[in-house]
Amino acid sequence: GAVVSQHPSRVICKSGTSVKIECRSLDFQATTMFWYRQFPKQSLMLMATSNEGSKATYEQGVEKDKFLINHASLTLSTLTVTSAHPEDSSFYICSARDGQAPFYEQYFGPGTRLTVT
Amino acid sequence: GNSVTQMEGPVTLSEEAFLTINCTYTATGYPSLFWYVQYPGEGLQLLLKATKADDKGSNKGFEATYRKETTSFHLEKGSVQVSDSAVYFCALIAIKAAGNKLTFGGGTRVLVKP
Repeated sequence: GAVVSQHPSRVICKSGTSVKIECRSLDFQATTMFWYRQFPKQSLMLMATSNEGSKATYEQGVEKDKFLINHASLTLSTLTVTSAHPEDSSFYICSARDGQAPFYEQYFGPGTRLTVT
Repeated sequence: GNSVTQMEGPVTLSEEAFLTINCTYTATGYPSLFWYVQYPGEGLQLLLKATKADDKGSNKGFEATYRKETTSFHLEKGSVQVSDSAVYFCALIAIKAAGNKLTFGGGTRVLVKP
C-alpha cells in the first residue's frame, strides 16, 4: 500500500527557534498534501492544504507566517514552525493524496511530536 | 458547516466482546463517510468507507452502515481482540462544499483487555 513518512518523529526545540518537519510519499506522487495538528486526546485539526508547485491554502485561524508550508515536489512537503513557542507543542500529522486514486484516498504519515521548551 | 460527533472514550472491553462506537454527522452536500484507526505510535489508517446511503463498509471484522435518515455511521465489531486496541475516528468528506477535505470526529479510544 501507499506509504507516507515523516521526519523527524520527535523533536524538542527551544522557544524562539524554528523547526522543519518533512513529509514524503514513498511510492506514489502526491498531488495534494494536508497538514494536521492533533492535541492530546483530541481530534485532528486541518491546518492547511498544499498542492505541488503552488501556495498552500490555510484554514481559518492558522497563521501562515508562523506555519510555513512548502510543497516543492510531488513527493515532498515541509512544514516549518517559525519562532516556536510552548503553545506550538503538539502532534503534527501529514497526509497525502495520490492524484491517480479516488478522491477519498488519503494516506497518513506517522506524525511528528513537537515539544517547545 | 460540516461536523462529526462520536462517542467519547475510553471504551474498555474484554476480548471477544461486542463493540459499538456511535457516530453522527451534519454536512452540506452529500458526504462520503469513513472510519479511520490509529494504532499506538502509528499514523491513521483507513478502516472502511461508504460513499452513498445504505452502503455498508466492512474490513477486518468491522462494519458500518451509512444511514442517511439518521445521519449516522456507527462502527461495530462482533468479537474484539486485544489487537483492536486503538483510537477510532469517524470522518466525512462533503464533495464540492468543502473542497474534498476530511472532517474528523473527536476520536474514541478503545482498550481491549485479555
